[in-house]
Order: sequence, then C-alpha cells, then structure tokens
Amino acid sequence: GQSLEQPSEVTAVEGAIVQINCTYQTSGFYGLSWYQQHDGGAPTFLSYNALDGLEETGRFSSFLSRSDSYGYLLLQELQMKDSASYFCAVMNRDDKIIFGKGTRLHILP
Amino acid sequence: EAGVTQSPTHLIKTRGQQATLRCSPISGHTSVYWYQQALGLGLQFLLWYDEGEERNRGNFPPRFSGRQFPNYSSELNVNALELEDSALYLCASSFGSHINTGELFFGEGSRLTVL
Repeated sequence: GQSLEQPSEVTAVEGAIVQINCTYQTSGFYGLSWYQQHDGGAPTFLSYNALDGLEETGRFSSFLSRSDSYGYLLLQELQMKDSASYFCAVMNRDDKIIFGKGTRLHILP
Repeated sequence: EAGVTQSPTHLIKTRGQQATLRCSPISGHTSVYWYQQALGLGLQFLLWYDEGEERNRGNFPPRFSGRQFPNYSSELNVNALELEDSALYLCASSFGSHINTGELFFGEGSRLTVL
C-alpha cells in the first residue's frame, strides 16, 4: 500500500525556522511535492523534489532522501502569514498523486 | 490568465440525492484531478482525467463518477448521497504529465453538505 506520515501540528515563533517532516511508503516513487493551504483557500504548490538533495525557493526549502523515503519542508524567517496547513504529496508509478493528512503550522508572535 | 474555476461554491443536498460539480481547468491544461477533502482527513484522491479519458481513480465507490469534455472541463457526479459525502471537493489541473513538475493547480473547491 501507500502511506504518508507527517505531524498533525507544529508550533513556532515568528522569525524562527521550522521543519515539517514527511515519511512515505510507496512503490514506483517519482517525486515529492509540498503544498500550502490557508483556511478556506485552495492548496498552492510550493516545491517538488524528484532527486535527492535540497531545493531552495526564497524562504522555503525542501529536501528529499529517496533511500530513507523521507523529505522535509523548511520554512525560514517565519511570518504570521505562514500560518496554514502544509501537505506533502507523493507522485508514483501508478500515476496517482497521494497527499498526506497535512500539518497545521501555528505561529506565535 | 484565469485559474481553475469550480462551481457551485456551495451545494446543499439531502441523503439519496445526486450532486454534480463542475470544473474548468487553466487554459491549455489537459489533465483534471478531483480530490475530496473531509475535515481532518487531508486530500483523498478521487479521479484523474486526461485528454477526455479516465486515467485513474481512487478508492471510492462507483457512485462517484465523472467525465471530461472535449474542452477539457470536467464534471464530478456523486449519486445516492450519504452524510459522509459532506466535504470540500477540489479540482486541480496540470499541463501535460504531473510527473515532470509535480505541480497541480487547484481551484477554490465546491463545498457539498449532505443533510
């Protein structure tokens, strides 16, 4: 079967750095994506890792280790507007895009 | 450029009725995906259409069905509605294979309430 595990909630302070982990079990893995969803809004794409290593896009970075079936999203210089739910999603051989249950990020002033 | 649009925004039905949700992808996108987002359960994959064909479906009963039209817009039908079908239904589109970029573009969703 396929499964993704990510923490249900994470709390951090404004200006700090936070890491949201995602572990997955799937066959025929192609890549790992991250999405952000604010309450009442549509999920929006943040990043995609198909190869091992770190991808950086502004304040957000994403990491993938295919051998460990593990990835993470790193958010730096946290801002209040980063309060949202973050989903990891796996792309695999059977062409389904499977999402994790999401991590709700709370940011304290 | 217009994003993915979905209608209706909200829909209220009673048990046993049928619901039809509609989605227009971004211009030039040929793939449409449907997801169900129930409270606390993340996004559950429903259906994937590409070039008018159903390419894959998730673990949902056959009363969840849909189609993609020649203009690449799509419709999701839910028959014999049950209370647990109450959820936000999200449509997404992509240009070509999502495998290359891992990026889906989502609409704002249609919130279905079953009473």
